[in-house]
Amino acid sequence: AQSVTQLDSQVPVFEEAPVELRCNYSSSVSVYLFWYVQYPNQGLQLLLKYLSGSTLVKGINGFEAEFNKSQTSFHLRKPSVHISDTAEYFCAVSEGSGTYKYIFGTGTRLKVLA
Amino acid sequence: KAGVTQTPRYLIKTRGQQVTLSCSPISGHRSVSWYQQTPGQGLQFLFEYFSETQRNKGNFPGRFSGRQFSNSRSEMNVSTLELGDSALYLCASSLRQSNTEAFFGQGTRLTVV
Repeated sequence: AQSVTQLDSQVPVFEEAPVELRCNYSSSVSVYLFWYVQYPNQGLQLLLKYLSGSTLVKGINGFEAEFNKSQTSFHLRKPSVHISDTAEYFCAVSEGSGTYKYIFGTGTRLKVLA
Repeated sequence: KAGVTQTPRYLIKTRGQQVTLSCSPISGHRSVSWYQQTPGQGLQFLFEYFSETQRNKGNFPGRFSGRQFSNSRSEMNVSTLELGDSALYLCASSLRQSNTEAFFGQGTRLTVV
């Protein structure tokens, strides 16, 4: 069965510092991987997705992620964070195209400090 | 282009009652999925509908049901509400083609008292 692990429940970081949010998944088949962001009292917004091809994926708001098949990881990075990046970030996996049954990680709360 | 619309945004119900939540997908989207988000269990998949047919179902009791109409709008129903059903219910819509994403609504926050 698929599962997604986000090891860090909270990550505090100072403004303009780099950040990495970790995500590991387990699946016996090829997967599609996603990072979503959730601001307070809002739904989820897609940051980026990996479907195939280049393992380095660039998303919105300066975020990027690298798919590592051997380590079954899909870590999210940003070289310089802003106060406005404070939010909860969710990693998700889906086993196939045409289905939107996502398995989500438990989320990482990113708090950017001034 | 209007996003995914969920109504109502907030709801308070009493234990034992039933509730119906509504989701209007983005125009042209034919797939609708529902998720339950709670502090303890996180985001959990409820079900997915495409062309009025349920395509996938999560591990929830039969009290949770849903349907999709011919215009792709979807409703989910929870009967005999329990305190543990208090959650944010999120709906997502998509084109149901490869290389597309699911677009989420702002959710309906259900409180069971």
